[in-house]
Amino acid sequence: NAGVTQTPKFQVLKTGQSMTLQCAQDMNHEYMSWYRQDPGMGLRLIHYSVGAGITDQGEVPNGYNVSRSTTEDFPLRLLSAAPSQTSVYFCASSYWRGGYTFGSGTRLTVV
Amino acid sequence: TQLLEQSPQFLSIQEGENLTVYCNSSSVFSSLQWYRQEPGEGPVLLVTVVTGGEVKKLKRLTFQFGDARKDSSLHITAAQPGDTGLYLCAGPGGERVSARQLTFGSGTQLTVLP
Repeated sequence: NAGVTQTPKFQVLKTGQSMTLQCAQDMNHEYMSWYRQDPGMGLRLIHYSVGAGITDQGEVPNGYNVSRSTTEDFPLRLLSAAPSQTSVYFCASSYWRGGYTFGSGTRLTVV
Repeated sequence: TQLLEQSPQFLSIQEGENLTVYCNSSSVFSSLQWYRQEPGEGPVLLVTVVTGGEVKKLKRLTFQFGDARKDSSLHITAAQPGDTGLYLCAGPGGERVSARQLTFGSGTQLTVLP
């Protein structure tokens, strides 16, 4: 049972480059979310989805795009990377009102 | 705004000691969840508390939800080095966040020394 799979685990980008962080879950969860985790800031919600074809912004959405074409996949796109986007990114999924299952994270450095 | 404040921010104790960490808010939450995060990994759900005054036990961990559902505590008895990690509380809703999504506290970093 794979749970939530995130790729890549590590990534270094140059300022201005774009990339997509992949997230896939095999639990048929309706809800999927992207968080970033920074020292002293906790986990902050970037974007979330309540089902295929439905997405919405979280607390810190600027500079990121998402789409949800299938129940399983929820990629996060960085449009033009900035040093302020250096962080650890976590994808999570859950049933309605359920506990979240997190992936193991993507550690992104923007230079 | 439904902010979750956790205290202490850092805690370092010796193996065998007891400890309590806190999660407080000025707002009422319909439920609260506790997670533990180990270095290099994502948070893992420990427990969800739903009813005011509820107490749940998970081996040496005891979780309590305040009567008014504004606060929660986690008590660890006879801490072990394997308990080391970042403990996060989370509740539904928050500033600019749908009630269907979780807002996280900033966590308590626990270190248990052998």
